[in-house]
Amino acid sequence: EAGVAQSPRYKIIEKRQSVAFWCNPISGHATLYWYQQILGQGPKLLIQFQNNGVVDDSQLPKDRFSAERLKGVDSTLKIQPAKLEDSAVYLCASSPGRGGVKFYEQYFGPGTRLTVT
Amino acid sequence: DAKTTQPPSMDCAEGRAANLPCNHSTISGNEYVYWYRQIHSQGPQYIIHGLKNNETNEMASLIITEDRKSSTLILPHATLRDTAVYYCIVRVAYNFNKFYFGSGTKLNVKP
Repeated sequence: EAGVAQSPRYKIIEKRQSVAFWCNPISGHATLYWYQQILGQGPKLLIQFQNNGVVDDSQLPKDRFSAERLKGVDSTLKIQPAKLEDSAVYLCASSPGRGGVKFYEQYFGPGTRLTVT
Repeated sequence: DAKTTQPPSMDCAEGRAANLPCNHSTISGNEYVYWYRQIHSQGPQYIIHGLKNNETNEMASLIITEDRKSSTLILPHATLRDTAVYYCIVRVAYNFNKFYFGSGTKLNVKP
């Protein structure tokens, strides 16, 4: 079974520029998550999708961050404009979101490391 | 937001059992405890989860106290490849089953 795919793996931009990250979840997984992980801290949930609808985006800085999940499969996370404090690893995860003991088990991708200079 | 407390770091000798503690004193009756680990430059990886009974799988054992206010993850025979940050997480049922990650415990397995 293929895992969660993310691209790019690394990105360096200047502040005030825009950037986009892409995530392809495990096939058939209904729930998709984007996390932000600042160096030395645990991941912090930014947004959660159930199929193509947003379930929770309470921690997403909506003035600069946006995310979409078209057709309930792939997802993109965008930052526009970026700030220095956005430097972090952005992790995508997915979970089955339906039936069985692994309903809520989250599978993580390798992450995208963003450096804002 | 983190609902768990873990020591920032621990050392363990290779081949010995690693016992990683976690405090979750505010846990509610229907909230599960999950353990994940994150090896450097990788995404977190699922290890085990439980509600109130002790659990065991091929990777580890999870011991949850009777009052559910704390738990211990046990890696029975630690290897150098087990060096990672281990996260104890509470899954909050009332809040979209959100995972609350703390800062985790950095486990250093030494030869």
